[in-house]
Amino acid sequence: GENVEQHPSTLSVQEGDSAVIKCTYSDSASNYFPWYKQELGKRPQLIIDIRSNVGEKKDQRIAVTLNKTAKHFSLHITETQPEDSAVYFCAATETSYDKVIFGPGTSLSVIP
Amino acid sequence: DSGVTQTPKHLITATGQRVTLRCSPRSGDLSVYWYQQSLDQGLQFLIQYYNGEERAKGNILERFSAQQFPDLHSELNLSSLELGDSALYFCASSVARTTNTGELFFGEGSRLTVL
Repeated sequence: GENVEQHPSTLSVQEGDSAVIKCTYSDSASNYFPWYKQELGKRPQLIIDIRSNVGEKKDQRIAVTLNKTAKHFSLHITETQPEDSAVYFCAATETSYDKVIFGPGTSLSVIP
Repeated sequence: DSGVTQTPKHLITATGQRVTLRCSPRSGDLSVYWYQQSLDQGLQFLIQYYNGEERAKGNILERFSAQQFPDLHSELNLSSLELGDSALYFCASSVARTTNTGELFFGEGSRLTVL
């Protein structure tokens, strides 16, 4: 079955700097890769996603890149702000959306 | 508000007991997923239902069971509870298996404490 690894487990950056979180997946059949943000005490919420027919996707300060050959994808946050502090989860699944498997999470702290 | 309702929000019980967690998906969503989030842990996939049928199973213990009813709400039953079952249990729903969106909408979670 699918296994998703995520690095780093914790990340601390200065406000205004960039943050990069990397994930790898094992199942070559996976073709949908969402990213979720979970603020302290809150539920996870989708922030961006990418499909295997796309190499990169951007939405304002966040971007995701996918290398299907290497089976890895990354989240890039530019010009970080304190409100970006949260736990970020990557995930992988097929287009049936069955069995959405999450990575272990990255706790991002943005220092003002 | 995601539109996904989970009850109860908090539950405290003793080892050996049985509890039922309930989830009402967003209106129109056919898929329901259950995840377990232990302290400082990630989201462990337990089980997924689509329109009343089990679609995928993850690391769900034999002491745990779930079902999705005709009105699409779902229940997760946890029995013979152990201290290690203490966790936040999330339910999530999504529209359908064949639409272009794969977004999961999470409920607020049910926090289970086993003493």
